[in-house]
Amino acid sequence: DAKTTQPPSMDCAEGRAANLPCNHSTISGNEYVYWYRQIHSQGPQYIIHGLKNNETNEMASLIITEDRKSSTLILPHATLRDTAVYYCIVRGAQKLVFGQGTRLTINP
Amino acid sequence: GAVVSQHPSRVICKSGTSVKIECRSLDFQATTMFWYRQFPKQSLMLMATSNEGSKATYEQGVEKDKFLINHASLTLSTLTVTSAHPEDSSFYICSATGTTFTDTQYFGPGTRLTVL
Repeated sequence: DAKTTQPPSMDCAEGRAANLPCNHSTISGNEYVYWYRQIHSQGPQYIIHGLKNNETNEMASLIITEDRKSSTLILPHATLRDTAVYYCIVRGAQKLVFGQGTRLTINP
Repeated sequence: GAVVSQHPSRVICKSGTSVKIECRSLDFQATTMFWYRQFPKQSLMLMATSNEGSKATYEQGVEKDKFLINHASLTLSTLTVTSAHPEDSSFYICSATGTTFTDTQYFGPGTRLTVL
């Protein structure tokens, strides 16, 4: 599976949009981009995934560049409960390989 | 979304004993379940993949005789840590997925194991 690169940490003000970037320059044509988050001492929570089109659900939006080499997860109105480690994962097979993720802190 | 449960949520045991952790998919049939381990301030590390009715596939460096995995039904997988030692203390997390490789993996809440 392709490797991903994420900033180790980010801060965002409560109520603002949080934009989390992810680089996956070696992604293959049949590999999906998945986003999970992990709140302290809990199991990861699925957020969203996509192949090449932008996706939106009740939690977030996923913007994938046309060349698919990078993507951005958008939390439109961040709340304090969105403080977590966010993992961007490129998935080509069944298993998920977790990197170090981005620690997002939402500030009041 | 789909719900995956784990039991127990916390367990403390003495060194040398065995501990069993259960992972259940509550509202879907999980043909494949995964077991992860997470040490403090680190990311999740995949230990093994189990398919219902088959032997588990272990990742490199994971001792299959120490971490016994059973996936006897489409809703239940168990991880048994045999002869546990303090270095096995960790956060163990399972996930479950359906029949195709694009099916989303849903994670359990995790089990905190402390070996004294």
